[in-house]
Amino acid sequence: DIQLTQSPSFLSASVGDRVTLSCRASQDIAGYLAWYQQKPGKAPKLLIFAASTLQGGVPSRFSGSGSGSEYSLAISSLQPEDFATYYCQHFNSYPRVLTFGGGTTVELK
Amino acid sequence: QVQLQESGPGVVKPSETLSLTCSVSGYPISSGYYWGWIRQPPGKGLEWIGSSYHSDSTYYNPSLKSRVTISLDRTRNQFSLKLNSVTAADTAVYFCARDRGGNHFLDYWGQGILVTVSS
Repeated sequence: DIQLTQSPSFLSASVGDRVTLSCRASQDIAGYLAWYQQKPGKAPKLLIFAASTLQGGVPSRFSGSGSGSEYSLAISSLQPEDFATYYCQHFNSYPRVLTFGGGTTVELK
Repeated sequence: QVQLQESGPGVVKPSETLSLTCSVSGYPISSGYYWGWIRQPPGKGLEWIGSSYHSDSTYYNPSLKSRVTISLDRTRNQFSLKLNSVTAADTAVYFCARDRGGNHFLDYWGQGILVTVSS
């Protein structure tokens, strides 16, 4: 099975900072990666799919990139509402399994 | 606007069956896409339970497959989750979501429902 490893687990940053979150897959996942934002007590929110496609309504300060087994989510200028936990996600075609990474929590420094 | 809403008991006894329903509005589930369930134990990460397009195209997490059934009710525009033989380890917030298929990303989510397994 494909494993997704997110790093760092926790990240302290300030409003206005540029931050980059990493998601590493245990094998080539050919760009089939999504990113979600989750705030406490809320459902996850889709930010990016297909590694770099921004979901409608998501601010352009969010961007996704990567290929093969290495992917990243960047936030160009952190806003107060961006402090949350971020998860990457992949669906493997064989065996048909959907997997989430362990998450990265972005905290206010 | 697509909206999903989970419903069901908030407490289930050990060894019994957890049953949840997800009511969908703003999109007929018969129009396509997969419909899935995800859970999150308190303070932990997300775990996919399974996704269903129709009875012949339903995928389950291998770690839960022997205990899980996901069913679609197109007449009521709902889908359901049944997890049997529950233990305390099944205590979690359960989310339903629309699974876009293809890349299988989850674009619309319910607000989640906390289910506690306790006697």
